[in-house]
Amino acid sequence: RKEVEQDPGPFNVPEGATVAFNCTYSNSASQSFFWYRQDCRKEPKLLMSVYSSGNEDGRFTAQLNRASQYISLLIRDSKLSDSATYLCVVTPPNFNKFYFGSGTKLNVKP
Amino acid sequence: EAQVTQNPRYLITVTGKKLTVTCSQNMNHEYMSWYRQDPGLGLRQIYYSMNVEVTDKGDVPEGYKVSRKEKRNFPLILESPSPNQTSLYFCASRETGGEETQYFGPGTRLLVL
Repeated sequence: RKEVEQDPGPFNVPEGATVAFNCTYSNSASQSFFWYRQDCRKEPKLLMSVYSSGNEDGRFTAQLNRASQYISLLIRDSKLSDSATYLCVVTPPNFNKFYFGSGTKLNVKP
Repeated sequence: EAQVTQNPRYLITVTGKKLTVTCSQNMNHEYMSWYRQDPGLGLRQIYYSMNVEVTDKGDVPEGYKVSRKEKRNFPLILESPSPNQTSLYFCASRETGGEETQYFGPGTRLLVL
């Protein structure tokens, strides 16, 4: 079983739409959670960390559900520039490894 | 400017010809790591290093070697490349000891013929 699983998409949405991605992880002892953004096979860049209490950064909201072992990313008022692949990342308790999901592709259309 | 650099950015080689991809960071990070990215599989960790002279296997270490003689450098060595090592490779670094995120290099596209 994969450590981290994501729906590959693509999610095709119009500008201004709200879109949500989920990511499930298999290790209940996982410690840290992140969402990264990757454009066209360029390097991944941190979008936001995911905290137990949930966190928000502008149009982006991330949440963690430890009981069901998933994290989510909500994007409100989608922009064309949000088109990218979104990677879910999970680390074990000792933070020495990083497990990436295969990514969810988002296409925001005019 | 804080950054992770990789060289070369693009490389075409032939089966069996040893190659090294260099990685360097200027942020004084203790932790460094190598990943490969393949379609449909996401990023998979090859090797990581918690500090100088400390390296450990990730999930796909077969066919790769690394060394960490200095804090800033973490080269990836392919002693005898094979076509199944054709991939996009990323180096990354971060602080240790907490929930710090990673900073990635720009990637190296490798084609093994």
